[in-house]
Amino acid sequence: AQTVTQSQPEMSVQEAETVTLSCTYDTSESDYYLFWYKQPPSRQMILVIRQEAYKQQNATENRFSVNFQKAAKSFSLKISDSQLGDAAMYFCAYRTRIQGAQKLVFGQGTRLTINP
Amino acid sequence: EAEVAQSPRYKITEKSQAVAFWCDPISGHATLYWYRQILGQGPELLVQFQDESVVDDSQLPKDRFSAERLKGVDSTLKIQPAELGDSAMYLCASSRDRGVGELFFGEGSRLTVL
Repeated sequence: AQTVTQSQPEMSVQEAETVTLSCTYDTSESDYYLFWYKQPPSRQMILVIRQEAYKQQNATENRFSVNFQKAAKSFSLKISDSQLGDAAMYFCAYRTRIQGAQKLVFGQGTRLTINP
Repeated sequence: EAEVAQSPRYKITEKSQAVAFWCDPISGHATLYWYRQILGQGPELLVQFQDESVVDDSQLPKDRFSAERLKGVDSTLKIQPAELGDSAMYLCASSRDRGVGELFFGEGSRLTVL
């Protein structure tokens, strides 16, 4: 079974600075998806960024980018120019590409605080 | 913008009582998920539907939990009887096709069992 580990329960960063959230995962599959989800307080979880394992190029979405190291099974999220609205729980998640079993497996989450 | 609707947002109940949560996915989304998120932890899948059929309920405590999606649209998750350890956020999510696309989450139903 796949597992996802986020080793940083909490992180904080000054507004406008850059922060990196760590994630490692364990799988025997060669093709899969990886995601970062954001869960603001009392709001629904939303997708931040997505990476397909067969793509070598790291995904980027505006201020959010990932460092995908397939051999090391590492998938970190970098947030540049941090904003107050980035404060939230961040979850790393794994999904298999096998048809009929596409559940998301989540890590434990990292609570990100932005200091003004 | 279409959203996943869940109700109630908050529910307080006493142990041994029955409780039910409702989810209405985004129109046209064939796949529906129920996740349980204990405070301070990541969500864990309870049950996944493809249309009206269950495709994964391996983590659903079937002695007390049940879920249905009779017409392949909205879904109900029931707990009977509720136990103290069931206190958690219950998240519903949907995706357009067989889970390949992005998952869209509702705001969740927070359950407190006293």
